[in-house]
Amino acid sequence: DGGITQSPKYLFRKEGQNVTLSCEQNLNHDAMYWYRQDPGQGLRLIYYSQIVNDFQKGDIAEGYSVSREKKESFPLTVTSAQKNPTAFYLCASTPGVSGQPQHFGDGTRLSIL
Amino acid sequence: AQTVTQSQPEMSVQEAETVTLSCTYDTSESNYYLFWYKQPPSRQMILVIRQEAYKQQNATENRFSVNFQKAAKSFSLKISDSQLGDTAMYFCAFMIDSWGKLQFGAGTQVVVTP
Repeated sequence: DGGITQSPKYLFRKEGQNVTLSCEQNLNHDAMYWYRQDPGQGLRLIYYSQIVNDFQKGDIAEGYSVSREKKESFPLTVTSAQKNPTAFYLCASTPGVSGQPQHFGDGTRLSIL
Repeated sequence: AQTVTQSQPEMSVQEAETVTLSCTYDTSESNYYLFWYKQPPSRQMILVIRQEAYKQQNATENRFSVNFQKAAKSFSLKISDSQLGDTAMYFCAFMIDSWGKLQFGAGTQVVVTP
């Protein structure tokens, strides 16, 4: 079955360490997105990409970086510059046609050690 | 900037009853899309329903229906015949551009009790 795979499910980060969250999709979707979810809040957009080798900052991009070297992959790096990284991270994708709903992965829970 | 407001942090409903969740949004655009997503305790984000702004007919999906009032910028979700499996956080979301970006509300926690 087609879908979006996020790994790992749980991730722990030490102070000063960069960590990378994986997101892979086999839906042949053009557009991919990263969201952050904090307790009791909605999702906030970190980065998004519509085509390979191109991506745009979302509302809360500071302290994060991404790459889009392949259509199916959109990894997110949480850098040491992100001072409050503890959150639930969700990856999503769409076909890239306007108005189509986003499909989501199961998420990664990042915590600070 | 577009904003999405869900004014009910939590709602409780008994099995088989009906509950309505409110959502309002702010935009100057005329063509856009609205969604309701459900996030159960597993934290998966599941699409519940989609509405196109240029369609006057309210969308329905089985027990889920919306009341879309474009002039009032309101997009409420009605859950009929509530089931225990409907217990989840429900998010209203607004999409306005060809990038497919979504603006989410803060969510409404729905608890279905026996």
